[in-house]
Amino acid sequence: GAGVSQSPRYKVTKRGQDVALRCDPISGHVSLYWYRQALGQGPEFLTYFNYEAQQDKSGLPNDRFSAERPEGSISTLTIQRTEQRDSAMYRCASSPNGDYEQYFGPGTRLTVT
Amino acid sequence: LAKTTQPISMDSYEGQEVNITCSHNNIATNDYITWYQQFPSQGPRFIIQGYKTKVTNEVASLFIPADRKSSTLSLPRVSLSDTAVYYCLGGSQGNLIFGKGTKLSVKP
Repeated sequence: GAGVSQSPRYKVTKRGQDVALRCDPISGHVSLYWYRQALGQGPEFLTYFNYEAQQDKSGLPNDRFSAERPEGSISTLTIQRTEQRDSAMYRCASSPNGDYEQYFGPGTRLTVT
Repeated sequence: LAKTTQPISMDSYEGQEVNITCSHNNIATNDYITWYQQFPSQGPRFIIQGYKTKVTNEVASLFIPADRKSSTLSLPRVSLSDTAVYYCLGGSQGNLIFGKGTKLSVKP
């Protein structure tokens, strides 16, 4: 079956612009996670949802970052007023129900110029 | 949340058994130990998880001593395609903490 998909795969934006990154989890998966990964580093947890409820947003760096999953399926990570330090690979993952085994998508490479 | 420490890199040759050890001194009582694998330009992929003693699947084995302060991932007879970064994770189910991982290089 289809895995986790993310769009766009690449996004180049100018500093100060807002961006929205989309994640389409595996169908039926209850839990959805967002991570950020810098080059040469492991993924850094940002936030996660069970169904439409945001369970933990402690990893969001500041209030420019927000995420939603309004219908318990597709999720959007929004970064407002982007800064160059926001440049990274943003990864989404899903799991059947909060499992340790998470399925990762291909990621969105964000570049802020 | 449990912080993990593992070697930055390891080298091996095809056909050898590779053991990667991770320390997690302050792992919480309810946390499992989880290992992921990541190839360049791909997202991480779950390998194995365990709570204590030994767990084995078709890919690897995981050894966890009684004090749970460390764990060892064992990859039998590695091949070139096992070259990747391996992450040992602590943390709760909803908040996995990835470290920098161990970069395993398998040579012919």
